[in-house]
Amino acid sequence: AQTVTQSQPEMSVQEAETVTLSCTYDTSESDYYLFWYKQPPSRQMILVIRQEAYKQQNATENRFSVNFQKAAKSFSLKISDSQLGDAAMYFCAYLDSNYQLIWGAGTKLIIKP
Amino acid sequence: DSGVTQTPKHLITATGQRVTLRCSPRSGDLSVYWYQQSLDQGLQFLIQYYNGEERAKGNILERFSAQQFPDLHSELNLSSLELGDSALYFCASSAQALAGGNEQFFGPGTRLTVL
Repeated sequence: AQTVTQSQPEMSVQEAETVTLSCTYDTSESDYYLFWYKQPPSRQMILVIRQEAYKQQNATENRFSVNFQKAAKSFSLKISDSQLGDAAMYFCAYLDSNYQLIWGAGTKLIIKP
Repeated sequence: DSGVTQTPKHLITATGQRVTLRCSPRSGDLSVYWYQQSLDQGLQFLIQYYNGEERAKGNILERFSAQQFPDLHSELNLSSLELGDSALYFCASSAQALAGGNEQFFGPGTRLTVL
């Protein structure tokens, strides 16, 4: 069964600095999708970025980018120029062939002003 | 606003009771997903419906059931409630059965408290 591991329960970063959140996963599938979701204090789940495993190019969305290492089964999220509004729980998720999203436990990101 | 609506926002009930959570997907989305998020935990996939039919099942207890109606709204029924069922229940929708990795759009959630 697929698993998703986020080894950092909490991370903090100074405003305007860069932070990287880690995610590793375990799968025997060769084609799949990976996602990072953000959950601010409002508890709304918001898609941050998505990566298709067959694409070698790392996905980017404005200040958010990923470092996707397929062989290492690693999918880290880099947030550049951190802003106060980035403070949230960040979840890494894996989409399996049964269309189920398998979620990591989350990383709480704190932004220091 | 994701376009996915869930009612009620909050629900407080007692152990042993039965409740129904309702979800309306985004206009045009055929797939509906239900998730459970316990306090400060990740999400657990419960069940997926696609155009009225059950498509995938996750860690859903036998005391829980769901259905998707012809107008595509979905209901999650939770019965014989236990204290441990207290959680945030999310509904999400997507255009297809996630072929192509279509984004899932999440509703605001229903917070269930079982006393």
